[in-house]
Amino acid sequence: DGGITQSPKYLFRKEGQNVTLSCEQNLNHDAMYWYRQDPGQGLRLIYYSQIVNDFQKGDIAEGYSVSREKKESFPLTVTSAQKNPTAFYLCASSVTSGRSNEQFFGPGTRLTVL
Amino acid sequence: AQRVTQPEKLLSVFKGAPVELKCNYSYSGSPELFWYVQYSRQRLQLLLRHISRESIKGFTADLNKGETSFHLKKPFAQEEDSAMYYCALVNNAGNMLTFGGGTRLMVKP
Repeated sequence: DGGITQSPKYLFRKEGQNVTLSCEQNLNHDAMYWYRQDPGQGLRLIYYSQIVNDFQKGDIAEGYSVSREKKESFPLTVTSAQKNPTAFYLCASSVTSGRSNEQFFGPGTRLTVL
Repeated sequence: AQRVTQPEKLLSVFKGAPVELKCNYSYSGSPELFWYVQYSRQRLQLLLRHISRESIKGFTADLNKGETSFHLKKPFAQEEDSAMYYCALVNNAGNMLTFGGGTRLMVKP
């Protein structure tokens, strides 16, 4: 069950700390995405990247940052500026960002702020 | 702005009963819609897309532009259909997927 991996599976953070979530894919996909999943709210897009060294803000980018230095990696940093960071975070990738391209999802990381 | 609404958070049916998961959307462009499913302890995965007009695991979904809906239907529900279902819409540029809030389907024996 490879393809997209996320680590760690569970992450605990103290208030005021930054934390970085890992997302790696070996599918040779150009596009990668980060979503936040909250109960009853579905998935909301945080950031996306259509190509290496390029990324754009999604609907809820405030308090988050990303980088895309390598095609296979798209780490997400949750900064201390994010007011309510406790959530389930999903990473996804697609061949390109074309309309009919299926997004493939990772297993997710559950972040809890103590 | 694009928006996807799934009015039911939970839908409970008996095995063998028909099931319809509702999805309504708001989008000014030409819509392209998907249904994603998340089974227990599995990853979120694509179930079907409207452009393919296919039936997957007995599920179908028809895009109704007049009613701005993309309801997911299955004539006879099975216990293994129990899962979380998300309707999603992609923008014209293909770089933003907007999800609905999700509907949990429970199929009782």
